[in-house]
Amino acid sequence: SQQGEEDPQALSIQEGENATMNCSYKTSINNLQWYRQNSGRGLVHLILIRSNEREKHSGRLRVTLDTSKKSSSLLITASRAADTASYFCATDYSGGYNKLIFGAGTRLAVHP
Amino acid sequence: SQTIHQWPATLVQPVGSPLSLECTVEGTSNPNLYWYRQAAGRGLQLLFYSVGIGQISSEVPQNLSASRPQDRQFILSSKKLLLSDSGFYLCAWIQGRRNTEAFFGQGTRLTVV
Repeated sequence: SQQGEEDPQALSIQEGENATMNCSYKTSINNLQWYRQNSGRGLVHLILIRSNEREKHSGRLRVTLDTSKKSSSLLITASRAADTASYFCATDYSGGYNKLIFGAGTRLAVHP
Repeated sequence: SQTIHQWPATLVQPVGSPLSLECTVEGTSNPNLYWYRQAAGRGLQLLFYSVGIGQISSEVPQNLSASRPQDRQFILSSKKLLLSDSGFYLCAWIQGRRNTEAFFGQGTRLTVV
């Protein structure tokens, strides 16, 4: 399977703590993207990191990419209850482009 | 601005009945279009994608089919639904160039009974 895999599957933290989610994938990529999904809704794009980038920031989000290990991490700093959602990584494989393959996701619960 | 419409939001259908889910995109031209299915508490499985009118690529063998009769319209169909077709179906589009993000519809919750 080309599908990426996230860990942990579920994460429960207190408001103000940092949340780290990891993603591994199997083949060469053009880019890796992170999405957020509130329960029962569509996915919303958070951040895209290209294969030649190693780190990217957007507000409270920090994404790293290690192509030698075929892995990425998403860090959410100073988490809030509103960050409660499922987070998915998606890889755009370099065999073509714009064919996003998603992992199983991490369910994040942030408690007030 | 670009928007994506997907309907209906929920659908309950009996086994053996036909299915038609529609997705339309506004504010862009020649998008890549996608159908994903999500089982409860799971990730997204890519079902079909299309890079142009009439061009459909199927990712997994299944009881479903897709069509793209117009540039910004993508339809997911089945002639006879199975119980295993139940799930959350998501339509998405990506502008046809490298390193751009996907935009998702709000999804259709399909329950086959």
